[in-house]
Amino acid sequence: EPEVTQTPSHQVTQMGQEVILRCVPISNHLYFYWYRQILGQKVEFLVSFYNNEISEKSEIFDDQFSVERPDGSNFTLKIRSTKLEDSAMYFCASSEVTDQETQYFGPGTRLLVL
Amino acid sequence: KQEVTQIPAALSVPEGENLVLNCSFTDSAIYNLQWFRQDPGKGLTSLLLIQSSQREQTSGRLNASLDKSSGRSTLYIAASQPGDSATYLCAVRGNYQLIWGAGTKLIIKP
Repeated sequence: EPEVTQTPSHQVTQMGQEVILRCVPISNHLYFYWYRQILGQKVEFLVSFYNNEISEKSEIFDDQFSVERPDGSNFTLKIRSTKLEDSAMYFCASSEVTDQETQYFGPGTRLLVL
Repeated sequence: KQEVTQIPAALSVPEGENLVLNCSFTDSAIYNLQWFRQDPGKGLTSLLLIQSSQREQTSGRLNASLDKSSGRSTLYIAASQPGDSATYLCAVRGNYQLIWGAGTKLIIKP
């Protein structure tokens, strides 16, 4: 069964460093998403992406964040200058045709900023 | 602003029992509601999605209902098994993207 994959599974970085989190959505899906979950807190929406542009973004998704689909398969989240509070589990998801369908999630990348 | 609440926060029951998890939301203008399962340190697995025009959805031993007017959804798990132990999350899709509850941590005792 097709699934969303994410790399790396864990990443440790120093405050102020740039990180890139990678995702490979399900191949025939058109909508892509990033969410994060700070330890012990609710899952929070960051951004959705469709047709090579941002469809929606939350207040969390400020200028420090960017997304890109550099090729036909990868979908990346870049954090330019990480802060301690960026430490969280980051989930990528995709849905097939619209953003009102079932979203399928990857296993997540646990980011720790020191 | 949409708020999603899940009660109880944690639940521990013996194997074989039927149980109900609750999800409530403050704004009834939703497109759909989705139930997920999260295992410790793992990703999110979609269980059921109910469109706003639907009243319930079933998958195996799981049944989810939606009462949009009262802002409530329930997830019914029949004949619970130890493998059902996980955190169950509901998420509501409104004008904005998915808004999540904090989850119910379910433990099924053998």
